[in-house]
Amino acid sequence: DGGITQSPKYLFRKEGQNVTLSCEQNLNHDAMYWYRQDPGQGLRLIYYSQIVNDFQKGDIAEGYSVSREKKESFPLTVTSAQKNPTAFYLCASSTSGGVRTGEQFFGPGTRLTVL
Amino acid sequence: GQSLEQPSEVTAVEGAIVQINCTYQTSGFYGLSWYQQHDGGAPTFLSYNALDGLEETGRFSSFLSRSDSYGYLLLQELQMKDSASYFCAVRDYNTDKLIFGTGTRLQVFP
Repeated sequence: DGGITQSPKYLFRKEGQNVTLSCEQNLNHDAMYWYRQDPGQGLRLIYYSQIVNDFQKGDIAEGYSVSREKKESFPLTVTSAQKNPTAFYLCASSTSGGVRTGEQFFGPGTRLTVL
Repeated sequence: GQSLEQPSEVTAVEGAIVQINCTYQTSGFYGLSWYQQHDGGAPTFLSYNALDGLEETGRFSSFLSRSDSYGYLLLQELQMKDSASYFCAVRDYNTDKLIFGTGTRLQVFP
């Protein structure tokens, strides 16, 4: 079955540690995205990538980093510079047609808690 | 910049019809999308309006009026499983980014 996987589902880290969230898709989609969602809030874009080896900052990129070395993978690193990293992180992907229509396919999310 | 406003919460009973509004301020966008998200789950795409008017997909319909900077999602024959958060979203002309609304939490009661 095609889809997007994110791991782990729950992640706990101590303050000051960097942590990398995994996102893999086998949908053959060109575009991939990372969003952050805080309780009762909408989705805010962290980074996005429309092709391999290229990515752009979203609205809240500070304290985060990404790489896009393979079409299938778009890992997100939450660095110690991110002041309030506890949140629900969602990865998404879309086709070029989906980019036009706004149709994105989301993974199940990773809930990160920084202690 | 872009901003999309939605009511924070809407309640209704099973079998009823509910309308979730989305008003926006934007300099230009391609179309209006709607997503559903159950608690703790991933958002799922519901609909897209490229043009003004009503788009119907089963029990759900979506409407867009660019002249009024307004859209809505209409849910008919409500079921308990429709209890979720609903987000409108637009794709910005200039940045190609998808901008999400503030979200509306729908609670359906028996």
